[in-house]
Amino acid sequence: AQKITQTQPGMFVQEKEAVTLDCTYDTSDPSYGLFWYKQPSSGEMIFLIYQGSYDQQNATEGRYSLNFQKARKSANLVISASQLGDSAMYFCATRLQGAQKLVFGQGTRLTINP
Amino acid sequence: DAGVIQSPRHEVTEMGQEVTLRCKPISGHDYLFWYRQTMMRGLELLIYFNNNVPIDDSGMPEDRFSAKMPNASFSTLKIQPSEPRDSAVYFCASSRTGGSAEAFFGQGTRLTVV
Repeated sequence: AQKITQTQPGMFVQEKEAVTLDCTYDTSDPSYGLFWYKQPSSGEMIFLIYQGSYDQQNATEGRYSLNFQKARKSANLVISASQLGDSAMYFCATRLQGAQKLVFGQGTRLTINP
Repeated sequence: DAGVIQSPRHEVTEMGQEVTLRCKPISGHDYLFWYRQTMMRGLELLIYFNNNVPIDDSGMPEDRFSAKMPNASFSTLKIQPSEPRDSAVYFCASSRTGGSAEAFFGQGTRLTVV
């Protein structure tokens, strides 16, 4: 079974600082994918970034990057130069090969202070 | 594409009434997911379909919940009879096949059972 753990219920960061959101996962399957989603206060779920378990390089998408440490089963999201609009809930999710479903962590509420 | 379309956006109903939530996935996507989001339990996968066939309904809470996908462009989630503990935001999502294929979420239906 898959399990995703996000240990930070809430984080407060000053605008323009970098922020790291933690995510650890528990699976014995060698092939899997890791996803991050953003949920602003308006409620929609927005896909941010994907990392495959066999990807050699850490994924990056604009200001988002994924710090993937496979041996530690860690897939932390790094947001550089944070902006007020980054304030939202952030969810980490995993997908096992052969099963298209996404299993989500509990989320981290990020607040960017001006 | 208009994205995943859910209706209604908000539903308030009395305990014991039947509730039907509707979803139109993105054209060409062959997977459809129903998730429920609550403060206590986070984002839970209720059921998902592949090519209109239910693949995993282990997350459906009980027999009061049922889901159908009569064709590739429409799915329903029905609760009968509804109870106050069913109050939540229900998301429909769709994706293509593939380990790296992100799931696209609808805007959600906020259900309140009084």
